[in-house]
Amino acid sequence: DGGITQSPKYLFRKEGQNVTLSCEQNLNHDAMYWYRQDPGQGLRLIYYSQIVNDFQKGDIAEGYSVSREKKESFPLTVTSAQKNPTAFYLCASSNLGGAYSGANVLTFGAGSRLTVL
Amino acid sequence: GNSVTQMEGPVTLSEEAFLTINCTYTATGYPSLFWYVQYPGEGLQLLLKATKADDKGSNKGFEATYRKETTSFHLEKGSVQVSDSAVYFCALSGYNKLIFGAGTRLAVHP
Repeated sequence: DGGITQSPKYLFRKEGQNVTLSCEQNLNHDAMYWYRQDPGQGLRLIYYSQIVNDFQKGDIAEGYSVSREKKESFPLTVTSAQKNPTAFYLCASSNLGGAYSGANVLTFGAGSRLTVL
Repeated sequence: GNSVTQMEGPVTLSEEAFLTINCTYTATGYPSLFWYVQYPGEGLQLLLKATKADDKGSNKGFEATYRKETTSFHLEKGSVQVSDSAVYFCALSGYNKLIFGAGTRLAVHP
């Protein structure tokens, strides 16, 4: 079945460590996204990518880094510069559409919960 | 800029009650509008969408109508079930990305 796989589901990090969250999709989608979700809050966009080897900062990119070396993969690294990394991280993908085209239906992974000890 | 405002939760209902979750938006142009649902411990799933004014999206008994004159996209269901307990997010399409509301938690008890 087509879908998005995120791993690990749970991750614990010590302060000062970098960690990488994996996101793989087999939907042949061009665009991929990383969102952060905090309790009682909506989703905030960290980074997104519309094409291999290219990505753009979202609203809260500081302290995070990404790469897009393959169409199927969009890993997110939470660096030690991120001061409050404990959160639920969601990866998503979509076909590309023009602005307001309605083509931007996102398919989400099951999420990765990161806790800083 | 574009933004979405949802009613604050939690919303607590008895089974078979009528549900309304309010959503209003601010946007330039004519965005598409979406409702996503998140069950505990999971990612989000698309519930329904509408791509132009006066369109009605519907799925699993849920409905929402794209009202341009009131800039609203309220979610409704005539008779909720315990299995509908989840967090519901309203969203609009920006340029190649979605903008989400804060989410509304719904709890349905027997």
